[in-house]
Amino acid sequence: DAGVIQSPRHEVTEMGQEVTLRCKPISGHNSLFWYRQTMMRGLELLIYFNNNVPIDDSGMPEDRFSAKMPNASFSTLKIQPSEPRDSAVYFCASSFRALFGEKGNEQFFGPGTRLTVL
Amino acid sequence: EDQVTQSPEALRLQEGESSSLNCSYTVSGLRGLFWYRQDPGKGPEFLFTLYSAGEEKEKERLKATLTKKESFLHITAPKPEDSATYLCAVRGATNKLIFGTGTLLAVQP
Repeated sequence: DAGVIQSPRHEVTEMGQEVTLRCKPISGHNSLFWYRQTMMRGLELLIYFNNNVPIDDSGMPEDRFSAKMPNASFSTLKIQPSEPRDSAVYFCASSFRALFGEKGNEQFFGPGTRLTVL
Repeated sequence: EDQVTQSPEALRLQEGESSSLNCSYTVSGLRGLFWYRQDPGKGPEFLFTLYSAGEEKEKERLKATLTKKESFLHITAPKPEDSATYLCAVRGATNKLIFGTGTLLAVQP
């Protein structure tokens, strides 16, 4: 079974450029999460979607960051314009959230995109 | 505010030397405590979910336990391949996972 797929795996860009990260969640999952991981701050949730609808974007650091989920099998995280402090590893994760009950919801992570902004 | 603190930050063990990792948490309405393993250059890999105090789960040399304030990840007779960063996370009233900063485990042969 394919897990969460992310592309590109590595991205090096110059300050001011637009960066687009892509994610394909596990088939059948209805929740999708974007995280950022740095040595200083660890793993931080940026935004999450449920049934393709953004539910909580309180972790998005600035208006330079935006995320979309046009359908159940694809999401993008865009940074425009990029800055050196955006350098980090960005992870996408997906889970299945049942309509009833609190159990389950385990999130499965992709391999990440390592972003370097020069 | 939901919060997770993991200790120690780093742990070095000899192969076969058992030990425990700690995860202390404060959360409004715990709806799950999660343990993940992360290898260098990879995404976190799901290990366990615990839902209520007293619950325990095991997988090979790992056993996770839960109390009302903390969780332990016990590693019995570790092998070098158990070397990784172990992350703890909690889910409270929201659907968000709040992660700790992890424990970097190194098991030497």
